[in-house]
Amino acid sequence: SQKIEQNSEALNIQEGKTATLTCNYTNYSPAYLQWYRQDPGRGPVFLLLIRENEKEKRKERLKVTFDTTLKQSLFHITASQPADSATYLCALDMSGGSYIPTFGRGTSLIVHP
Amino acid sequence: GAGVSQTPSNKVTEKGKYVELRCDPISGHTALYWYRQSLGQGPEFLIYFQGTGAADDSGLPNDRFFAVRPEGSVSTLKIQRTERGDSAVYLCASSRRGGGRTGELFFGEGSRLTVL
Repeated sequence: SQKIEQNSEALNIQEGKTATLTCNYTNYSPAYLQWYRQDPGRGPVFLLLIRENEKEKRKERLKVTFDTTLKQSLFHITASQPADSATYLCALDMSGGSYIPTFGRGTSLIVHP
Repeated sequence: GAGVSQTPSNKVTEKGKYVELRCDPISGHTALYWYRQSLGQGPEFLIYFQGTGAADDSGLPNDRFFAVRPEGSVSTLKIQRTERGDSAVYLCASSRRGGGRTGELFFGEGSRLTVL
């Protein structure tokens, strides 16, 4: 069956380091992949979208890579800050053509001062 | 308003009751999505509207769940004969056009439903 896997364990890092979060998927070839940030009690907020023909995308301190051979996306936050602490969700088009984003369970990032 | 608005923000009901959750999307956004999120999980797709019509309702768990968008803007998610397992945060999102391929989703803050 189609699966999106994000590490369920929280990622703890020190302020100033680079955080790297992973999104793996199986049994599908998505046309695009998105990353969202979600704070407790809030709705997800869009961060970046990367398409199947793009290898890498950057926005300020954020970088996303998309490897369709490995079926994996990596999400990097450089020079991390305590304010970056949140849950990060990846979402893929998994529905066979109607391009409805399907979400992973998210990974919690905790940046320690 | 500037963002997606959902009401109520919190709803506590008893098992067997009927519930309506409302979503007011960003003005001009033709696509509207409902998701459900349980604690520690990602949003789970329920239904997608393109304009007034439900383009994909494959995520609705059973026939107790129904959603409408009669004028192509505000949408209402309706749950009949609620069960304790329906307790979750119900998220609404809109986007400028249909399908995530064309851009990001803008989410509301969600309606937290608790069924006692």
